[in-house]
Amino acid sequence: DAGVIQSPRHEVTEMGQEVTLRCKPISGHDYLFWYRQTMMRGLELLIYFNNNVPIDDSGMPEDRFSAKMPNASFSTLKIQPSEPRDSAVYFCASSFAGESQHFGDGTRLSIL
Amino acid sequence: SQQGEEDPQALSIQEGENATMNCSYKTSINNLQWYRQNSGRGLVHLILIRSNEREKHSGRLRVTLDTSKKSSSLLITASRAADTASYFCATPPNSGYALNFGKGTSLLVTP
Repeated sequence: DAGVIQSPRHEVTEMGQEVTLRCKPISGHDYLFWYRQTMMRGLELLIYFNNNVPIDDSGMPEDRFSAKMPNASFSTLKIQPSEPRDSAVYFCASSFAGESQHFGDGTRLSIL
Repeated sequence: SQQGEEDPQALSIQEGENATMNCSYKTSINNLQWYRQNSGRGLVHLILIRSNEREKHSGRLRVTLDTSKKSSSLLITASRAADTASYFCATPPNSGYALNFGKGTSLLVTP
């Protein structure tokens, strides 16, 4: 079975540009999570969805960040405008009934 | 916000030895989970232990949970070079499903 698929794997862009990260969860999973990982802060939850509905977005750093889940098989995390401090590895994870989470391999984002 | 804190931050052992990692947390939990992360990859779920369980085994992994001390330990027996990775404990809040991760223990197993 295919796991959680994230794209792109790497993204390098200039400050001020819009960045869109994509995630395809495992089929049948009803929870989807977006995390950010940095050396300084570790793994931080940004937002999570249940049945395509955002449940908790308290971890979204600021209004420059937005996330959508238009259907059960696709989610996006958008940063507009991007800043150097947004550089991190962004992970998407999905789970069934909110228990063990399955992670994608992440998007390594570098903002110059 | 971080709930779990792993100890030690780094651990270096030789193949065949056992590795023990500890996790402490702050608030009451329904379950505690352990994950592994290989360099450049996503996290992989290893084991989940519920608050009413004291010990759980999965292959070479043994997890214990002491809710009175708010702590858990992960034991990897007969370690292999392939066990080299970072290990994280994670706890969900009682009323939700999002996980709070610690900063992890970096394990190096040398041949």
